Amino acid sequence: DADVTQTPRNRITKTGKRIMLECSQTKGHDRMYWYRQDPGLGLRLIYYSFDVKDINKGEISDGYSVSRQAQAKFSLSLESAIPNQTALYFCATSGDSHSPLHFGNGTRLTVT
Amino acid sequence: TQLLEQSPQFLSIQEGENLTVYCNSSSVFSSLQWYRQEPGEGPVLLVTVVTGGEVKKLKRLTFQFGDARKDSSLHITAAQTGDTGLYLCAGQGSGNTGKLIFGQGTTLQVKP
Repeated sequence: DADVTQTPRNRITKTGKRIMLECSQTKGHDRMYWYRQDPGLGLRLIYYSFDVKDINKGEISDGYSVSRQAQAKFSLSLESAIPNQTALYFCATSGDSHSPLHFGNGTRLTVT
Repeated sequence: TQLLEQSPQFLSIQEGENLTVYCNSSSVFSSLQWYRQEPGEGPVLLVTVVTGGEVKKLKRLTFQFGDARKDSSLHITAAQTGDTGLYLCAGQGSGNTGKLIFGQGTTLQVKP
């Protein structure tokens, strides 16, 4: 089983809809992250959480919200999806500030 | 704002050729990580370099961190078709947040 699991793997939704992307991990890591990947732009940080009570905005948080339901679960919501939120979304975990990131396999989101 | 410029963005070579990917910044990073990503999967860590001037080898891959810790390079000797993928550099930013700043990525295609 994957250490970092993202659901769904693919999602097509319409403009204005609310959707939630989910991430769960079995690594026991406190730190969890949501990134967005677009061609030619690399990975950009949306939100990150260092523990259940700690949520922080990343560089592109507008239009997104998150919830850290437990140490192992971190979900990303798009309150009202728009077409320029079409992208590949990755959840990642890390053990501490010097540890590498462990990524899930991504959710491909298309907003029509 | 710390930025990482990665070049080239695309590289298509024949099997057996050598190549170098560059990652440059005007900012100093405490460490720099290289990831490799295959289609349908999340990035996977290849190596972390921490000390200025450090060189690490991973089979045919050689990673170097610049003396001033502002740049890094990845050199692949005698590329193989299995090296095909997206290569990402990521710098550990200032402070102790654990946030990584990613380059735009280099898409490498190794043709047989």
